[in-house]
Amino acid sequence: NAGVTQTPKFRVLKTGQSMTLLCAQDMNHEYMYWYRQDPGMGLRLIHYSVGEGTTAKGEVPDGYNVSRLKKQNFLLGLESAAPSQTSVYFCASSLRGPGETQYFGPGTRLLVL
Amino acid sequence: LAKTTQPISMDSYEGQEVNITCSHNNIATNDYITWYQQFPSQGPRFIIQGYKTKVTNEVASLFIPADRKSSTLSLPRVSLSDTAVYYCLVGDPASGSARQLTFGSGTQLTVLP
Repeated sequence: NAGVTQTPKFRVLKTGQSMTLLCAQDMNHEYMYWYRQDPGMGLRLIHYSVGEGTTAKGEVPDGYNVSRLKKQNFLLGLESAAPSQTSVYFCASSLRGPGETQYFGPGTRLLVL
Repeated sequence: LAKTTQPISMDSYEGQEVNITCSHNNIATNDYITWYQQFPSQGPRFIIQGYKTKVTNEVASLFIPADRKSSTLSLPRVSLSDTAVYYCLVGDPASGSARQLTFGSGTQLTVLP
């Protein structure tokens, strides 16, 4: 039982490049989330999903897109990376709603030059 | 989800009991209070969750007064390894919306030898 895993662990992009971050969970959770965390800051919700085939915007959705084609996977895409998107990205999942216990992945460090 | 307010930082010495308070004046009837711990370069980890009065597990206690407008995380006999950021999150486990989900900046606890 791996819990929540994230791929890749670290990535460097040039401004304007695109990439996809993959999150996978093996706990059969309905809800999945993508957060970003900037240095010395708390986590801010980018997008979330309440089930397979659904997505919804969080607090800071601009510049990101997501997809949840399979229940166990939640993808975060950056179509045209900007230096302001340099951050650590965390994926999480919960059995039901966001007020339930969330299980987090190890994070992806993204540097946009 | 209810907005929360925590102290930015706290210092303690090994072996002492540490109490971290979170204010959540706008907590709703169905909201639960959840605390997370985050070490550097890791995702947050669930510590404890409660609705009212007192909850205790193997690592912490959570005290919630009758009006539920605040809560206190209590860590008994802290060690150096308890140095981390602690987040308070308030939300309804059965609610589908995470639109206002926010972890805030958390409390940086530093345990000194």
